[in-house]
Amino acid sequence: LAKTTQPISMDSYEGQEVNITCSHNNIATNDYITWYQQFPSQGPRFIIQGYKTKVTNEVASLFIPADRKSSTLSLPRVSLSDTAVYYCLAKAAGNKLTFGGGTRVLVKP
Amino acid sequence: EAQVTQNPRYLITVTGKKLTVTCSQNMNHEYMSWYRQDPGLGLRQIYYSMNVEVTDKGDVPEGYKVSRKEKRNFPLILESPSPNQTSLYFCASSLTPPYSYNEQFFGPGTRLTVL
Repeated sequence: LAKTTQPISMDSYEGQEVNITCSHNNIATNDYITWYQQFPSQGPRFIIQGYKTKVTNEVASLFIPADRKSSTLSLPRVSLSDTAVYYCLAKAAGNKLTFGGGTRVLVKP
Repeated sequence: EAQVTQNPRYLITVTGKKLTVTCSQNMNHEYMSWYRQDPGLGLRQIYYSMNVEVTDKGDVPEGYKVSRKEKRNFPLILESPSPNQTSLYFCASSLTPPYSYNEQFFGPGTRLTVL
């Protein structure tokens, strides 16, 4: 049964890089790891998804080591508007999905 | 516009009064899911549906029912709501299960209060 854990919160400053690591033991060989961003009073929004090594898009990078027991979301040069809660998502038993508890990122000026 | 819609957005009800929260998507997605979000507990999956007439329990299915009679709709039914079902509910959809290579789209949420 895949269980996802991530830090509860982290603070940063504008222009810095923020890295959030999610642990997901027992993830199946063929399953992707997905990260979401959520602002208050809104539904989560897809950021990035990966299977192995490194994936990069216009907003973030995702690093997944060879053992796939963790993944790290990297937000380059954060701004105040990146203040949000970030969730990792992995497949649990059967076809269920399990979210990490969420990491509250506060970007300070 | 591609979207997931939920209704109502806000609902205050009383214990035991049956209610239905509707969810609809216009993207022809096969996979749909309901989540509840509670402070300190994050997002937890209630039920999911792999396709029409195929539904299964998530992590917290007790007290809820769902149906998937057509691809676009996935209503959440509370037959006899109780105060511990007071929560923020999200519906989501994706072309295929989100643990395969696909983005999951979330609705705006339904804030339910059961008195």
